[in-house]
Amino acid sequence: QVQLVQSGAEVKKPGASVKVSCKASGYTFTGYYMHWVRQAPGQGLEWMGRINPNSGGTNYAQKFQGRVTMTRDTSISTAYMELSRLRSDDTAVYYCARSQRITGAIDYWGQGTLVTVSS
Amino acid sequence: SYVLTQPPSVSVAPGQTARITCGGNNIGSKSVHWYQQKPGQAPVLVVYDDSDRPSGIPERFSGSNSGNTATLTISRVEAGDEADYYCQVWDSSSDQVFGTGTKVTVL
Repeated sequence: QVQLVQSGAEVKKPGASVKVSCKASGYTFTGYYMHWVRQAPGQGLEWMGRINPNSGGTNYAQKFQGRVTMTRDTSISTAYMELSRLRSDDTAVYYCARSQRITGAIDYWGQGTLVTVSS
Repeated sequence: SYVLTQPPSVSVAPGQTARITCGGNNIGSKSVHWYQQKPGQAPVLVVYDDSDRPSGIPERFSGSNSGNTATLTISRVEAGDEADYYCQVWDSSSDQVFGTGTKVTVL
């Protein structure tokens, strides 16, 4: 069965960076885009960007350009999202999620990783 | 940027029908996907490509899309349907866009 298993919760200070991992299993990792979506406490879903695990190509939401880096390691079917220069308003649950097409639905989601930014 | 607008809340009695709208400019020309999210859980896809259901999603969930409004309809609402619901599209200028979200309360 398809599974996306994310790394554990993180607590970071303002200005630091965080790197979240997402290990995929149960499907061909390179056959699906991997998206990163975040959700601040009590707020809605916010798309951050996606990576094509086959080519490594990325597309980032304009809001995060220059602060986010998405990478992958195909040998271990794992995607990564690194967010730098953290601020308190980056406190959120970060999800990885896959889709087969750019225009397609996101059909499986990771369990989420809580990132808390606090001094 | 492309904006999707949903009502903040919808209340419905058990057994009745809940309709959740998602408004966007010419949304009828796009494929709309809907997600259900219960507290403390990851979102779950309930409708994709306007009106298709993933396996395991009850037939009570249906979708439509025309003009400037897409609609998720939940028939014969049950207590377990209480959740937040989000619409989502891909737009050529904004890429992936999520709606503002609707909290469905079962009375």
